[in-house]
Amino acid sequence: DTAVSQTPKYLVTQMGNDKSIKCEQNLGHDTMYWYKQDSKKFLKIMFSYNNKELIINETVPNRFSPKSPDKAHLNLHINSLELGDSAVYFCASSRDRGLLSPKETQYFGPGTRLLVL
Amino acid sequence: AQKITQTQPGMFVQEKEAVTLDCTYDTSDQSYGLFWYKQPSSGEMIFLIYQGSYDEQNATEGRYSLNFQKARKSANLVISASQLGDSAMYFCAMREGSSNTGKLIFGQGTTLQVKP
Repeated sequence: DTAVSQTPKYLVTQMGNDKSIKCEQNLGHDTMYWYKQDSKKFLKIMFSYNNKELIINETVPNRFSPKSPDKAHLNLHINSLELGDSAVYFCASSRDRGLLSPKETQYFGPGTRLLVL
Repeated sequence: AQKITQTQPGMFVQEKEAVTLDCTYDTSDQSYGLFWYKQPSSGEMIFLIYQGSYDEQNATEGRYSLNFQKARKSANLVISASQLGDSAMYFCAMREGSSNTGKLIFGQGTTLQVKP
């Protein structure tokens, strides 16, 4: 009965490879997000989708391509992986994007630890 | 400019004592929300508490309370009666009301260690 789940939990791969991370939420939320947590633990938004529509793309290299097949799923595909892509990637979801109130809490998945060698 | 600042990289507290984790923010919005998350060593992000800019009372959730001082733009997290399981990294975050994207802006985090 996990609310926000991500697979895989760990991903170790070689530079230049292409990899995907999957996220699913069973909360019935409309908005989903990808955040990146770097080696200094700093968290930064990458993408956000609202009802399958992209609403944030925060100056992320175009090697990163999110895809939302339906509002319960948000996947992240990364092409030509680089050493600097090593990080923890968190998926999150919220009921909506907070247009009516900033209160909409975001619930996070467990994170995917990506290590590029 | 840094929108969320957590000036304490690391804090220690004795078990059963109270501790305050600092957070200051910067926004020109009148409507905004402030959040605190806990990240234990296992890595997940756990929502703790929320404070809205228009909320008249300071938020409380069990042993967590928020010392919200709007004029000073601070939203400090107070943990009462610290427990060993409170050892973790704590993040302050803000959502600006003018944002139509819902994104959270995070501070750098504070690592809390509870000593037995």
